[in-house]
Amino acid sequence: AQSVTQPDIHITVSEGASLELRCNYSYGATPYLFWYVQSPGQGLQLLLKYFSGDTLVQGIKGFEAEFKRSQSSFNLRKPSVHWSDAAEYFCAVGDMEYGNKLVFGAGTILRVKS
Amino acid sequence: DAGVIQSPRHEVTEMGQEVTLRCKPISGHNSLFWYRQTMMRGLELLIYFNNNVPIDDSGMPEDRFSAKMPNASFSTLKIQPSEPRDSAVYFCASSLARSEQFFGPGTRLTVL
Repeated sequence: AQSVTQPDIHITVSEGASLELRCNYSYGATPYLFWYVQSPGQGLQLLLKYFSGDTLVQGIKGFEAEFKRSQSSFNLRKPSVHWSDAAEYFCAVGDMEYGNKLVFGAGTILRVKS
Repeated sequence: DAGVIQSPRHEVTEMGQEVTLRCKPISGHNSLFWYRQTMMRGLELLIYFNNNVPIDDSGMPEDRFSAKMPNASFSTLKIQPSEPRDSAVYFCASSLARSEQFFGPGTRLTVL
């Protein structure tokens, strides 16, 4: 069965600093990978996705993620964090053989200090 | 595009009452998902439909929960009778085949 691990429950970074959120997955086949962001009181918004092709994918709001098959990882990065990036971030792996069922990680809460 | 629409946005009810949550997926999407989010358990998939047919309901916690999708533009999640431990935010999401899911704003349910 698929699983997703986000090892960091909370991360605090200074505004303007770089950010990397970790995500490791377990999946037998080629995974479909996603990062979603959730602001307080809101639904989840898709940041970026990886289905195939270039392993470095660009998303919205200046985020990018790199798929590394050898490490079973799909880490999210941003070169310079803005205060508005404070939110909870979820990594997910998709089982496209059974519709679009997603398995989500537990989430990482990002705090941005000024 | 209006996105996924959920109603009500907030629901406060008393234990033992029936609760019905509603979802309108994005037009043209053929998969619909119901999730529950709590601090303790995170984001859990309850059930999902493909072309209006329930595919996987293994996440439905117990018989008190039921979900229907009578047509491609409407789904309901019903809890009867409700209990305080059902208090959570319930999300609906929809997608096209082999594509990302789009989430609604959620319904915050409080059972007193």
